[in-house]
Amino acid sequence: DQQVKQNSPSLSVQEGRISILNCDYTNSMFDYFLWYKKYPAEGPTFLISISSIKDKNEDGRFTVFLNKSAKHLSLHIVPSQPGDSAVYFCAASVSGTASKLTFGTGTRLQVTL
Amino acid sequence: EPEVTQTPSHQVTQMGQEVILRCVPISNHLYFYWYRQILGQKVEFLVSFYNNEISEKSEIFDDQFSVERPDGSNFTLKIRSTKLEDSAMYFCATKTSGNIETQYFGPGTRLLVL
Repeated sequence: DQQVKQNSPSLSVQEGRISILNCDYTNSMFDYFLWYKKYPAEGPTFLISISSIKDKNEDGRFTVFLNKSAKHLSLHIVPSQPGDSAVYFCAASVSGTASKLTFGTGTRLQVTL
Repeated sequence: EPEVTQTPSHQVTQMGQEVILRCVPISNHLYFYWYRQILGQKVEFLVSFYNNEISEKSEIFDDQFSVERPDGSNFTLKIRSTKLEDSAMYFCATKTSGNIETQYFGPGTRLLVL
C-alpha cells in the first residue's frame, strides 16, 4: 500500500535552472509533509516541511507547495546547484505525539553543469 | 549543531546471530524512532519509542526485534536472531516533542547478514 508516491525515479536539471520534484499521497489523514535529502550511505537530512494549514513554505532556495485537494506536493529548488545532486524523499505524517513518517520511494536529482 | 549519532557504521554478522545497533539521540529530544532501508527500496518505519515504552510498531517489527533506552542516553535496537532479509541500512531518528513533527536522522548502520 503505497500511501506516498514519487512517480519520477530520476530528474536531470542544468545548474541554475529550477528543479521541481513531485509527490502524491493517498491518505487524507496526513497533515504534515516533509522533504529529506539523502546522499548514498548517509542518513536522510531534513530540508523543509509544510503543515496542511498552509499551501506554501519557503526557505532560501527551497519552496514546498501543497495542494490538498489534489493530494499533491512539490519541492522547488531555485537555482539548482551541483551540490543539490542527491536522492530526495517526500515523507508524510499524521501529526500527533509519536507520529511515524511514511516515505515515498525517492527521486534522484542530478544537477549538471 | 547537535546530531544523532549511530554505532557501528557497519556490521557484518552470520545468520542467526544477535546484533545490537546503538543510537545517541539529540540531547533534548524525547521521541525516538528506528527506520530501515533495504537496498533500492524506500525508508520504512519500524518502531517509535517515548517515555520508555513503545508507542507504535510496524508489522516488520516482530518478536525478533526489541528496543530499549538502557542508560537514559543510548537508544538501542536489538535483533535477536538475524535473517538474511534483515540486511539493510538502519536509521535512528529523534524529535524534540509531541507537537513538533520534524524528525532528525542519524547516519545509519549498514547491516549485512551472511
